[in-house]
Amino acid sequence: QVKLLQSGAALVKPGASVKMSCKASGYTFTDYWVSWVKQSHGKSLEWIGEIYPNSGATNFNEKFKGKATLTVDKSTSTAYMELSRLTSEDSAIYYCTRWSYWGQGTLVTVSS
Amino acid sequence: DIVMTQAPLSVSVTPGESASISCRSSKSLLHSNGITYVYWYLQKPGKSPQLLIYRMSNLASGVPDRFSGSGSETDFTLKISRVEAEDVGIYYCGQLLENPRTFGGGTKLELK
Repeated sequence: QVKLLQSGAALVKPGASVKMSCKASGYTFTDYWVSWVKQSHGKSLEWIGEIYPNSGATNFNEKFKGKATLTVDKSTSTAYMELSRLTSEDSAIYYCTRWSYWGQGTLVTVSS
Repeated sequence: DIVMTQAPLSVSVTPGESASISCRSSKSLLHSNGITYVYWYLQKPGKSPQLLIYRMSNLASGVPDRFSGSGSETDFTLKISRVEAEDVGIYYCGQLLENPRTFGGGTKLELK
């Protein structure tokens, strides 16, 4: 069955970067776009962007351009998202998703 | 960006009764291919969103047929018949027609 397994919670300092992972299984990784979604505490869902593993093509929400970098490792069927220049506004749960399937989320806390 | 507006913010339902949630988009979600790209998700407390309805009216795999989706090009409804305790959580509509993907603010369903 399709699974998206995300990396664990991260506590990072303001101004730093964080890189999280999303390991896919149960399907052909290169055939489907993978999206990343942000959910701040008590808030709705916010689409960050998407990547097509076969080609590495990406699309971004304008709001997250310069903030998020999306990459993949086809050899391990893993998608990555790196967030840079972190502030308290970046504290949230981040999900990877294929829209029908979602990872369990990665909690990022930005604090000194 | 397409704005998705949900109503009500919360709904309290007696188990066994029905509930309806509305969602309105600021732009038609009907693609030229005839598909309407509105999706419904349920996020149970502490969990990732789970897909309920895709492309306006299609029941996702494993979802009870108590759930149904309907609508027009810009106005959509999720109906839950015979509400059960497991239906508690926050319901989100989202549009996957164009980038950036956007979601409604959510409707919280509680039991009376």
